[in-house]
Order: sequence, then C-alpha cells, then structure tokens
Amino acid sequence: QVELVDSGGGVVQPGRSLRLSCAASGLTFSNYDFHWVRQAPGRGLEWVALISHDGGNTYSTDSVKGRFTISRDNSKNTLYLQMNSLRDDDTAIYFCAQEDPGLRAFVFWGQGTMVTVSS
Amino acid sequence: DIQMTQSPSSLSASVGDRVTITCRASQSIGNSLNWYQQKPGKVPKLLIFTASNLRSRVPLRFSGSGSGTDFSLTISSLQPEDFATYFCQQSNSAPYTFGQGTKLEIK
Repeated sequence: QVELVDSGGGVVQPGRSLRLSCAASGLTFSNYDFHWVRQAPGRGLEWVALISHDGGNTYSTDSVKGRFTISRDNSKNTLYLQMNSLRDDDTAIYFCAQEDPGLRAFVFWGQGTMVTVSS
Repeated sequence: DIQMTQSPSSLSASVGDRVTITCRASQSIGNSLNWYQQKPGKVPKLLIFTASNLRSRVPLRFSGSGSGTDFSLTISSLQPEDFATYFCQQSNSAPYTFGQGTKLEIK
C-alpha cells in the first residue's frame, strides 16, 4: 500500500532554515507529480508547491517564492521542501501529497510535520 | 491566480438532513474541481474528483456537480461520521488553490 511519511519539522527562529522530507513507498515514485500543502493552526488548507514527476518543472505559491524550494530525489523515493528565511506566518503543519494524473487530485497524503516559527 | 470561494463557512445540521456546500471559482476551471473531507487531527481525504466523480469506497450519499465556475457538494442524508470540514480545490492550473473550508457541525 502507498505510504508517505513526512519528517523534518520542528521549532525554529524567524529567519532560519528547515528542510522537510517526504519518504514514499508502495508506488513508482518517479511516475507522479508531488505537492506540498500546509495548514496553519485552526486554519484551512493552503497549497504551497508542486514538482513534476521528473523534477523538471516546479511551481510555488507567491508567499513562499524565493524562500522555499521544492525538489525530489527519485533514486531515494523522497520529496523535499527547503524552507529558508522562515517567518512567523509559515507556522503550520506541512503535508506532502501525491497527485493522481488520471484523477487530477491528491489521493495520498503524508501524515504531516509541524513547523513552528517562533523567537 | 484562481480564487476559490466556498460557502457557507460553517453549517449546523442534524443526522438525516440533506446539505449542500457550494464553491465558486474566480474564472472558469472546466470540471477541475475536487472535494476533500478533513476531520480534526486527521489528514484530508479525497471524496470527489473532477467535479462529480466519487472516489472508490466513498459512500453514495456524497455527490458533486457543476462546471465552469460554480460547483456544489451534496450529502443526501447526513450520518454521524460526516461531521467534519470540507474543502474544495481547483486543479485546473497552479497554484492549486483551496476554498477556505466549510465546517459541518451537529445541530
């Protein structure tokens, strides 16, 4: 069965960096586009970034452009989110999600990893 | 960017009620609209994809409709396990924006 395991979250001071990981199993990782979605405490879902199956195309939401970088290592079945210059409003649970190309929807999600930006 | 506006933001209903949640896109997205259910402390779960297609093993009391800019999610007869927050999401183009969510509560 498909499993996505998010890790790398923690408490970090404003302006510092953090790298999140999403380890995938049970699927042919290199066949799928992947996304990061976040959810601030008590708030809704916010789409953050996507990367194409081969890593050739990426896109991120305006609020993280220039600060966050999505990447992947298909040899390790792992998705990453490098987060630099973190701000208080980046505090959220971060989920990775697999896009099913036929459904054009997020079928499988990681369990989420909490990032808290606080001085 | 495409903005997604969901309504209502919260809804109180009773077991057995029929409820409808709407989602409006700021521009036409064809049928590229998905619905997710999220329970407290849990990961979002895909219910409906491409506006009206029920994901396998999702109960038939859930249905989706719409195209272009206006969409809806209907639950025909609420069950206790349906009380949750529901989000729409457009997958027409990046950024793949979500609606702000509708919290469905027990009356």
